Amino acid sequence: QVQLQESGPGLVKPSETLSLTCAVSGYSISSGYYWGWMRQPPGKGLEWIGTIYHSGSTYYNPSLRSRVTISVDTSKNRFSLKLNSLTAADAAVYYCARQLSNYFDPWGQGTLVTVSS
Amino acid sequence: QSVLTQPPSVSAAPGQKVTISCSGSSSNIGNNYVSWYQQLPGTAPKLLIYDNNKRPSGIPDRFSGSKSGTSATLGITGLQTGDEADYYCGTWDNSLSALWVFGGGTKLTVL
Repeated sequence: QVQLQESGPGLVKPSETLSLTCAVSGYSISSGYYWGWMRQPPGKGLEWIGTIYHSGSTYYNPSLRSRVTISVDTSKNRFSLKLNSLTAADAAVYYCARQLSNYFDPWGQGTLVTVSS
Repeated sequence: QSVLTQPPSVSAAPGQKVTISCSGSSSNIGNNYVSWYQQLPGTAPKLLIYDNNKRPSGIPDRFSGSKSGTSATLGITGLQTGDEADYYCGTWDNSLSALWVFGGGTKLTVL
């Protein structure tokens, strides 16, 4: 059974960089599939941030592309998200998920990120 | 403003049937598979329907999906109070570059 778990700081200062990691268990990332990051501001809908293939190819939301980097570490079976120049608008619950071409399954439980000085 | 349009809310009584629409365009729904996600209060989204109308293992057949042209529909029959949740559609969009898009979400209330 594939499981994903996000981790990272719950509080980040404005203008700083958010770094989150998604640990995958029950499946080896190097075996294939895509791996994605989404976020959900409080009380709002889901927003796709980006996706990485196990080989390292990436796809980013154009609205965030200039600030986002997604990377994969197959040796540790995890993938990561970096989002720089944070503002209050980036406060959200951040989710990671496995992407099987046309859908996301399963999802991690999510991690809440607050942006405040 | 989401690329995929969903009604903000729907409601129905227990035991009844409800449908949730997801409207898009030829650059997304019209030429790609649609998936649906259920988000119970305070939890992460969960895959409900994939490839327009397929149910993952463990999802009851009360949940169904369909697609016609540039619109998709999620149907739920035999409504239960436990179905109260937010529902999201999602698909790829190929308008400029490959990107994934979600609908704005629909809040289902079981009266």
